[in-house]
Amino acid sequence: AQSVTQLGSHVSVSEGALVLLRCNYSSSVPPYLFWYVQYPNQGLQLLLKYTTGATLVKGINGFEAEFKKSETSFHLTKPSAHMSDAAEYFCAVRNGRNYGQNFVFGPGTRLSVLP
Amino acid sequence: ETGVTQTPRHLVMGMTNKKSLKCEQHLGHNAMYWYKQSAKKPLELMFVYSLEERVENNSVPSRFSPECPNSSHLFLHLHTLQPEDSALYLCASSQDQGQTQYFGPGTRLLVL
Repeated sequence: AQSVTQLGSHVSVSEGALVLLRCNYSSSVPPYLFWYVQYPNQGLQLLLKYTTGATLVKGINGFEAEFKKSETSFHLTKPSAHMSDAAEYFCAVRNGRNYGQNFVFGPGTRLSVLP
Repeated sequence: ETGVTQTPRHLVMGMTNKKSLKCEQHLGHNAMYWYKQSAKKPLELMFVYSLEERVENNSVPSRFSPECPNSSHLFLHLHTLQPEDSALYLCASSQDQGQTQYFGPGTRLLVL
């Protein structure tokens, strides 16, 4: 069975600083990995995903994530935070071999960006 | 993202009321999902429909009743809810079950 942990339920960074949101997963088979963002009073929006191939994945709004199999991690980064990045971020995992497998979501990390 | 719409956006109901949440997707997908999002808890998958057939029901109380009349529409019928059912209910769709999911804006439900 898959599981996802996100270290830090709340992360604060200054505007212009590096954003690092951590995600570790547990999966007995190669995973598909996803990051979603949720702005206040909205649904979840896909930021980026890893399925196969290149382990560094670029997404929207300047975010990227790197799949590290040895560390079972898929941390999300952005070089320079913007005020508009303040939101809740969810990491999700899916069994990469099972076509119909459902997603398992992490508990989320709330990102605050300070002026 | 306007591919998945949900109505109403906000709903207040008493414990004896009956109401329905509606979800519509305009993406041509064939799988649809209901999730419950409560404060400080991970997203809870409630129901999955694939090709209009329910394929998963994650031990959800019978006071929640889903309906999928066609591949574009998904309903969640609510009756005799409890205050702990207050949450944000999210609908999602995907091309096939397990593929990338696209979410609606959610319905914020308050049960008094």
